[in-house]
Amino acid sequence: GAVVSQHPSRVICKSGTSVKIECRSLDFQATTMFWYRQFPKKSLMLMATSNEGSKATYEQGVEKDKFLINHASLTLSTLTVTSAHPEDSSFYICSASHQGTKPQHFGDGTRLSIL
Amino acid sequence: RKEVEQDPGPFNVPEGATVAFNCTYSNSASQSFFWYRQDCRKEPKLLMSVYSSGNEDGRFTAQLNRASQYISLLIRDSKLSDSATYLCAVNMGSTGAGSYQLTFGKGTKLSVIP
Repeated sequence: GAVVSQHPSRVICKSGTSVKIECRSLDFQATTMFWYRQFPKKSLMLMATSNEGSKATYEQGVEKDKFLINHASLTLSTLTVTSAHPEDSSFYICSASHQGTKPQHFGDGTRLSIL
Repeated sequence: RKEVEQDPGPFNVPEGATVAFNCTYSNSASQSFFWYRQDCRKEPKLLMSVYSSGNEDGRFTAQLNRASQYISLLIRDSKLSDSATYLCAVNMGSTGAGSYQLTFGKGTKLSVIP
């Protein structure tokens, strides 16, 4: 069964709207979660590392004020795309790992479409 | 040199064929290795971990060559349902939060043809 839950799976909204995506680890605590973005027919790109109780670590080129990450508990990380525009339309996926060198498990992903 | 490199494909093979994917990594200190499968418009799903001694799961065999810094995935007797993009992932063995991070290859697309 799924070990990481992501919600919502699909969002369609107008330009300028802020969208919040939730990522939950099921039955395990994840001090670290990851947020990825994938454009159509492109590779998976790491956006940021979400750390429980501290600030997220963003990859180069990812605007921290645009993509707000909150990891308030050991089982929940949220990504908020603020004032979303059409170019933010993409497939956003979170992942979590039980332990450091163990494989990551992905949420179902959120398909975001900004009109 | 990119950290993790894969042949992008696509690989078009007939049903029943054997197909092999390779993935090279740049950091010799890398500790953990995985193969993921991603279907179109879906999230990646863990296919198998790659162990130093090599490991097999049914029609799938994964191998690690630390000296040459590459991992491989072999699929025997390909099925139509094997059509997907196959991603290799490497844990570089950093400290702190980085110890959890995986670096993914761009993926190799496989199409199994009837």
